[in-house]
Amino acid sequence: EILLTQSPAIIAASPGEKVTITCSASSSVSYMNWYQQKPGSSPKIWIYGISNLASGVPARFSGSGSGTSFSFTINSMEAEDVATYYCQQRSSYPPTFGGGTKLEIK
Amino acid sequence: EVQLVESGGGLVKPGGSLKLSCAASGFTFSDYYMYWVRQTPEKRLEWVATISDGGSYTYYPDSVKGRFTISRDNAKNNLYLQMSSLKSEDTAMYYCARDRDYDYWGQGTLVTVSA
Repeated sequence: EILLTQSPAIIAASPGEKVTITCSASSSVSYMNWYQQKPGSSPKIWIYGISNLASGVPARFSGSGSGTSFSFTINSMEAEDVATYYCQQRSSYPPTFGGGTKLEIK
Repeated sequence: EVQLVESGGGLVKPGGSLKLSCAASGFTFSDYYMYWVRQTPEKRLEWVATISDGGSYTYYPDSVKGRFTISRDNAKNNLYLQMSSLKSEDTAMYYCARDRDYDYWGQGTLVTVSA
């Protein structure tokens, strides 16, 4: 089973600030997704296939990486981005998720 | 509009059974692999089961293999999860999700396993 480690676990950013979350895999993966979950709601696909934005996701979001190191970036933090973000790999069974990064606003 | 609506959750004693349902609408259900994913009280997400579009193939993690059974009725656009020999660690919100990228999720149904 591939373990995914996200850091940081919690991050607070000011409006307009750049935010980066990392996801480290215990073995090489070739397909990484990111999900956004707001309190009281289901997760939503946010970025798929490492760097592709899901429908309706603002262009200030981006994803990158390869092998065992991946990142999720918000170019300019906005209040509506407050949520928990999870990485997920489906390169090998079983598909696994990171522990999540809670993003708060300062 | 794609909709997934789960039902069937509740409080069950350890060793008990429960059957979850997921009603799908807004897309051609029989064209898609479907999944169950759960979220623990600690907010950890775990894949629980996969079923192929035609229902012939199913996959499970070791943690539920032999205890959980995923199935589907393509005529009724319904997905199911039969859970037996439930343990306290199965306590979670259970979501059904569509396709390999989990591009749509239901609102979830809560399963609590406790004496």
